[in-house]
Amino acid sequence: GAGVSQSPSNKVTEKGKDVELRCDPISGHTALYWYRQSLGQGLEFLIYFQGNSAPDKSGLPSDRFSAERTGGSVSTLTIQRTQQEDSAVYLCASSFQRLVSIRQGRGYTFGSGTRLTVV
Amino acid sequence: AQKITQTQPGMFVQEKEAVTLDCTYDTSDQSYGLFWYKQPSSGEMIFLIYQGSYDEQNATEGRYSLNFQKARKSANLVISASQLGDSAMYFCAMTALNNDMRFGAGTRLTVKP
Repeated sequence: GAGVSQSPSNKVTEKGKDVELRCDPISGHTALYWYRQSLGQGLEFLIYFQGNSAPDKSGLPSDRFSAERTGGSVSTLTIQRTQQEDSAVYLCASSFQRLVSIRQGRGYTFGSGTRLTVV
Repeated sequence: AQKITQTQPGMFVQEKEAVTLDCTYDTSDQSYGLFWYKQPSSGEMIFLIYQGSYDEQNATEGRYSLNFQKARKSANLVISASQLGDSAMYFCAMTALNNDMRFGAGTRLTVKP
């Protein structure tokens, strides 16, 4: 598609419920990233996918968080047993391969994010 | 490990004046890229400008320029002729071959009419 698409744009859920957030990257972008942005804060790295390689999960805050990327395209971030501290905007970004991005100075293209509120 | 530091939580500038937003970084990688993003109140992240670690000249994109001082590990963003629409959060970010893009805490810029 023309841009990175995220859905839903807003999600309100009860504490303890599971949620799934979806990201559809730009066609041709092999790298996909998830970030979390709490209110008034910077972006916190969560997870990175590159093609069919094993993802870099080093930023996931707990085992309640997981993500998958099917067919090297769409990605789903799942948060199980949500807690109030999970409330944040979850941003997805995509890019060409990291090495290409550095050499050609291409920034990541971000989606509009999913605002998650846990009540 | 990479670290990005933005020491100015908030900045004010008069319309039509220039403003500098500070960014320092720390990395052991020799090859890396530095980015600036703008995040208006709508929440979208807008890529502004890029500087490669081996680039000898400072990057410029329209009213944006990056003051890159490699020895000091600083990559300050300069916005010339500020406009009201420049009011937003600004994030400095860095990526390297073996690391993903990491962001600073951001600076909120307010342009006064």
